[in-house]
Amino acid sequence: GAVVSQHPSWVICKSGTSVKIECRSLDFQATTMFWYRQFPKQSLMLMATSNEGSKATYEQGVEKDKFLINHASLTLSTLTVTSAHPEDSSFYICSARDSGGFETQYFGPGTRLLVL
Amino acid sequence: GQNIDQPTEMTATEGAIVQINCTYQTSGFNGLFWYQQHAGEAPTFLSYNVLDGLEEKGRFSSFLSRSKGYSYLLLKELQMKDSASYLCAVMDSNYQLIWGAGTKLIIKP
Repeated sequence: GAVVSQHPSWVICKSGTSVKIECRSLDFQATTMFWYRQFPKQSLMLMATSNEGSKATYEQGVEKDKFLINHASLTLSTLTVTSAHPEDSSFYICSARDSGGFETQYFGPGTRLLVL
Repeated sequence: GQNIDQPTEMTATEGAIVQINCTYQTSGFNGLFWYQQHAGEAPTFLSYNVLDGLEEKGRFSSFLSRSKGYSYLLLKELQMKDSASYLCAVMDSNYQLIWGAGTKLIIKP
């Protein structure tokens, strides 16, 4: 099946710093990637939809200046959490949509962010 | 509005069969997905249905009735490793996935 990687898998940082998370589709091209956040024992929450070569579409309530998304190629999207605060601590998961396979979304393994 | 309903939690016995239901109301329909998510991990793709009927894949089967806005995931010969959350998601007319809250499945020996 399609493979999506995410890096890093764990991040611990100080409050006020910025953190970049990479999402790569390894064996397929993804014109669309998605960024989710999931707090413990809660549902996936879509943060934004990332389209290659254009600006990301953010969900209501998600600050685009705080969560910077760049989708510069068909296999790479990045999420930068700027000036991170403890309340940003969460499990961030990306997914990539395989345009050639029934539009199925395949998920990366996720990145755990802990802001101290 | 758009809505996906599935039970919050279910319990079943190892070796048995369990059916997890999902009902949906969305603006348009371009397929229904089931994902499995173990605690602390990202979801993994299980199945995709876009036409009515049953799709079988090993111990897992997924059924869809578009007229009823209904799907179920059937798990046979349950194993302890099947303990996980099962997420139902519908792709709407804009090809956006609408997610259910997930069903936590607890398997007991």
